[in-house]
Amino acid sequence: GQQVMQIPQYQHVQEGEDFTTYCNSSTTLSNIQWYKQRPGGHPVFLIQLVKSGEVKKQKRLTFQFGEAKKNSSLHITATQTTDVGTYFCAGRFNKFYFGSGTKLNVKP
Amino acid sequence: GAVVSQHPSWVICKSGTSVKIECRSLDFQATTMFWYRQFPKQSLMLMATSNEGSKATYEQGVEKDKFLINHASLTLSTLTVTSAHPEDSSFYICSASDTSYEQYFGPGTRLTVT
Repeated sequence: GQQVMQIPQYQHVQEGEDFTTYCNSSTTLSNIQWYKQRPGGHPVFLIQLVKSGEVKKQKRLTFQFGEAKKNSSLHITATQTTDVGTYFCAGRFNKFYFGSGTKLNVKP
Repeated sequence: GAVVSQHPSWVICKSGTSVKIECRSLDFQATTMFWYRQFPKQSLMLMATSNEGSKATYEQGVEKDKFLINHASLTLSTLTVTSAHPEDSSFYICSASDTSYEQYFGPGTRLTVT
């Protein structure tokens, strides 16, 4: 069935290093959303991508939507300890399918 | 803005009893509300989608008679776990959406069934 796969499951980086998480779908998505969940917190909306090949930036975060609208990535440049948390993608087919999340740990 | 509250934040109940969880959009009208279940260290699993004034749409594998959802107003949706069993213990999160595409998540409710 339809599902969204997300890798890696965990990522440990040194503060200042870059970080990337990837989402892949078996089906063409109408859009994809990204969320961040801090430890002990609830998911917070980051961004939505709709167009094929779309790239959006939020300060150190860069979001991409693949040309085929089947994959997406979130890249963080020069990570900071405040980036710690789990990043989820949610691809919309006929409903939202959440990826398994990538847990990011940043060592100071 | 766009604050969603959930009550209670945690609840412990005995097996066989029912528990009601409330989800409220505090500063906007939520035309759609979603109910998710999150297992430890796992992703969110969509249980159902509810639109104000109409019956909820349940995802495959979710028992509608066990997880009763009511969306009586544009600011309130409730999830009632009926005849709860230990396997229903989980973290339940609601989200609310207005006419935009963003989902605003509540803080979640930790349910423990003993």
